[in-house]
Amino acid sequence: QLQLQESGPGLVKPSETLSLTCTVSGGSISSSSYYWGWIRQPPGKGLEWIGSIYYSGSTYYNPSLKSRVTISVDTSKNQFSLKLSSVTAADTAVYYCARKDYWGQGTLVTVSS
Amino acid sequence: DIVMTQTPLSSPVTLGQPASISCRSSQSLVHSDGNTYLSWLQQRPGQPPRLLIYKISNRFSGVPDRFSGSGAGTDFTLKISRVEAEDVGVYYCMQATQFPLTFGGGTKVEIK
Repeated sequence: QLQLQESGPGLVKPSETLSLTCTVSGGSISSSSYYWGWIRQPPGKGLEWIGSIYYSGSTYYNPSLKSRVTISVDTSKNQFSLKLSSVTAADTAVYYCARKDYWGQGTLVTVSS
Repeated sequence: DIVMTQTPLSSPVTLGQPASISCRSSQSLVHSDGNTYLSWLQQRPGQPPRLLIYKISNRFSGVPDRFSGSGAGTDFTLKISRVEAEDVGVYYCMQATQFPLTFGGGTKVEIK
């Protein structure tokens, strides 16, 4: 069964860049025509799609975050990554990586000095 | 962006009784390939979201058959035929017909 696992710092300072990696196991990130995505959920709130990447490297970003987001894929490591720049407290959230049918457990990222 | 509106916000249900959640999109979710990419997700307390239903009415692997999805165009419904204690949580509809992907605000299912 496919498994996704987020990793990265749980605390980021304001104005810095949030960096997370999603490691995929139980299947190859490049073996099928799926989009791999990042979604976030502020504490006590709903879900917000951040962006998605195709295994070939094509990306789609939420327009509300587009100027600050970069998603990349490393097929050799079976991973894809998220970078969100110039973070503020409003970026504090649980960040999930997901394929359309499988989600990671999520990782809480707090933006605070 | 396609706006997804869910009702109700909260649904208190007696164990064994049915529950129904509505989701309306601001525009048709029929893709140019003929498919309608409307999914339902379940988020139990303290857990990540989990896919229940995809393309309106297809149950994902391992999802009990008491969950069913229906609808077309802009109006969709998730039904739980007989609510069990493990069904408590927040349910989200999500559209993947058009980028940006968007979610409904969520419906909390709780036991009376």
